[in-house]
Amino acid sequence: QVQLQESGPGLVKPSQTLSLTCTVSGGSISSGSYYWSWIRQPAGKGLEWIGRIYTSGSTNYNPSLKSRVTISEDTSKNQFSLKLSSVIAADTAMYYCATMYYGSGRLDYWGQGTLVTVSS
Amino acid sequence: QSALTQPASVSGSPGQSITISCTGTSSDIGDYNYVSWYQQHPGKAPKVMIYEVTNRPSGVSNRFSGSKSGNTASLTISGLQAEDEADYYCSSYTSSVTYVFGTGTKVTVL
Repeated sequence: QVQLQESGPGLVKPSQTLSLTCTVSGGSISSGSYYWSWIRQPAGKGLEWIGRIYTSGSTNYNPSLKSRVTISEDTSKNQFSLKLSSVIAADTAMYYCATMYYGSGRLDYWGQGTLVTVSS
Repeated sequence: QSALTQPASVSGSPGQSITISCTGTSSDIGDYNYVSWYQQHPGKAPKVMIYEVTNRPSGVSNRFSGSKSGNTASLTISGLQAEDEADYYCSSYTSSVTYVFGTGTKVTVL
């Protein structure tokens, strides 16, 4: 069973870049079975799909965040990462990494989430 | 892209059936069968309950079922139980090769 664990700073200053890493165990990000995805959720609000990366390196991003988002992978470490630039207070949220089963769209496995606060 | 529209809340008594709607457009729900439903308990990560409109992952109770008509997908929970009290979100693939979530529905078991 695939397990995911998010890591990164819990506090980011406005205008800086938010950087998170998702470490994968129980499966290889090179396997081709999944897209590796990021989702966020502000406190008390709904889920927002951020984007995904496939083993080929191809990416898809939420249009509303596309100009600020980069998702990348490090196959040697079995990790994938999220970078969100020029953050503002509205980017404060719980950030989840998750697997999206290839050809299905379902988000099978989720990390526990990591809270990122944007504040000076 | 705009979030899919769900009712803010739905409630029912134990044993009853409830249905949660999820309305999109012809660019997402209406044109693709990649609709998923997620259950989220407070402080927990979401869990997939339905995928590809009608399919249940292994281990999910058959009390949960999904359907779609036109631009609207639905999740039905039959034989409502106390443990079903949670937030529920739909999700759909879109013509922009992205995914969009619904606004979320809080299910209350009376």
